[in-house]
Amino acid sequence: NAGVTQTPKFQVLKTGQSMTLQCAQDMNHEYMSWYRQDPGMGLRLIHYSVGAGITDQGEVPNGYNVSRSTTEDFPLRLLSAAPSQTSVYFCASSYHTADNEKLFFGSGTQLSVL
Amino acid sequence: GQSLEQPSEVTAVEGAIVQINCTYQTSGFYGLSWYQQHDGGAPTFLSYNGLDGLEETGRFSSFLSRSDSYGYLLLQELQMKDSASYFCAPGAAGNKLTFGGGTRVLVKP
Repeated sequence: NAGVTQTPKFQVLKTGQSMTLQCAQDMNHEYMSWYRQDPGMGLRLIHYSVGAGITDQGEVPNGYNVSRSTTEDFPLRLLSAAPSQTSVYFCASSYHTADNEKLFFGSGTQLSVL
Repeated sequence: GQSLEQPSEVTAVEGAIVQINCTYQTSGFYGLSWYQQHDGGAPTFLSYNGLDGLEETGRFSSFLSRSDSYGYLLLQELQMKDSASYFCAPGAAGNKLTFGGGTRVLVKP
């Protein structure tokens, strides 16, 4: 099992560009989520999904879109990148829920927006 | 409202014991998780307390008191590899998992 796989590992964008961060898991997890982590800070939830076809907003959803067409994949789209979106992004999954289950994290994507 | 507090940094020597306290105010609270993150790495799950009391996993233990909205992570027999950030994360109904700012633990020889 590969676990949770994120691509790319590093990305540099110019302000206004759009891009998609990829996340895939091979554990048949129902719950998937995206977090961002800024220097010296904890993780903040962007969007999450409890199953294919179902998504919901987290704490900081503005400027990001998600979709969940399959159980395995949960891409995060930046619509028009801004310097404030410079951060490390983590995708995470669990069997059913986030509130009382172990989250498995991907290795992260370091994004810089110039 | 929601709040979460844990110390920002702790320094200790190898072999020592470190306790990281976490106080929270979380609506619909389910339980408290702890995660470890080494510099440049991803968070990894350490423990979960759904009930009051102590959970022990090797050198690490975690405690929860729901009535006090308080928990702690106890790191025993500290090793250099334990130098990392530790996050408490209260879980709440509706798939809410909030991460605190983390406690940076520095282990010195």
